[in-house]
Parts: sequence; C-alpha cells; structure tokens
Amino acid sequence: EAQVTQNPRYLITVTGKKLTVTCSQNMNHEYMSWYRQDPGLGLRQIYYSMNVEVTDKGDVPEGYKVSRKEKRNFPLILESPSPNQTSLYFCASRGPQGDGYTFGSGTRLTVV
Amino acid sequence: GIQVEQSPPDLILQEGANSTLRCNFSDSVNNLQWFHQNPWGQLINLFYIPSGTKQNGRLSATTVATERYSLLYISSSQTTDSGVYFCAGDYKLSFGAGTTVTVRA
Repeated sequence: EAQVTQNPRYLITVTGKKLTVTCSQNMNHEYMSWYRQDPGLGLRQIYYSMNVEVTDKGDVPEGYKVSRKEKRNFPLILESPSPNQTSLYFCASRGPQGDGYTFGSGTRLTVV
Repeated sequence: GIQVEQSPPDLILQEGANSTLRCNFSDSVNNLQWFHQNPWGQLINLFYIPSGTKQNGRLSATTVATERYSLLYISSSQTTDSGVYFCAGDYKLSFGAGTTVTVRA
C-alpha cells in the first residue's frame, strides 16, 4: 500500500530534550515536506525537500532541522524542544506533476 | 505566498442533505487539492484537481482555474462526512482555514 509513515503517533517530552520524528514514504517520491497544525493558525509548512540532499525552509522553520540522506526518509529534528512547539505535525510527499500530496497520519507532540 | 479563503467556516447538515464548500485563491494556483481531516486528526486526500471536474462516490469537485476558485460538493451527506475540509494549493501547498462540517443523524 502506498503510504507515508510517521512515528511516533504521540509523544510527550520535556523542554530541551532532543527528539526526532521519523517520516518514510514508499512511493519513490522526490518531494517531501513537514507541516505543523495549530488551532487558529491552520497548517503551516516547516521545511521541504525537492530531492535527496536538497532541503529548504518553509514558513515556520525556527527551532527545527531536517535531513534528506535518502529518498524515502525525511526526519524532523527538534534539537531543544520548547512548549511553543507543542503541535500536531504532518509529513507529506508528492509525486510527479499530476499527482497530489499524500500525508502521514500525524504526530501529536506535547512539550512540557 | 498565495492566500486561500474557504467558506463557510462552519456547516451543520442533517443526514441526507447536500452541500457546497467553496475555496478562493488570491492568485493562480497549481497542485490544488481537497482534504478531509477526520475526527482522529488524519488528513485524507479527496481530490487533486488543478482544473475541471472530478467525482468520487458522493463527493465531487470543480475547479475553475481562470477564476481562481474551487468547489467541493457533498451529496446525500452521512455522519461519517463530519470533520474539517481543507483546500490547499501552490507548490508549497498553502492551506485554507478549513470548513468544519457536522452531519447530524
């Protein structure tokens, strides 16, 4: 089944403790991206990657890092999480022109 | 980036009713999609529709790219249609604020 897989689905952590949210897709898509969803602010793009080793900032990149060492994986790294990064996070990938985006199931992160 | 406006913000339907959701874009847009976010938070891709009309069961969508809007039609609504409907477009996939649909039995 074609899908984007995120892990973990739920995570509660403490301020300052580094964490990584993994994202993997099995559709051989070049383009991948991360979004966060917050009440009243909607979905906003954090980072995106056009292909392997090429990443760029989205609208809200502060406090996040990404890497794209291989096509299928695009992890999101929070080096020093803060409470304002409590949010619902989505990873997505997109195929060639004519395909839409496929989203992962989301990761609900709480930073205390 | 482009601005995406969705209307109405909220919609309450009786089961079996039909409805139309609208999405306006501030500029021409590609990669236009409609999504449904279910009560568990999952984003489900409904349509990839940069132009024209598509149908999938009780749902259909029409995009008029030259006039920068898209419509999502829900026919014979069911309680499982409840949730938030988003449209999004552009290469960075800018999202609208969503329409919250509640279908009552």
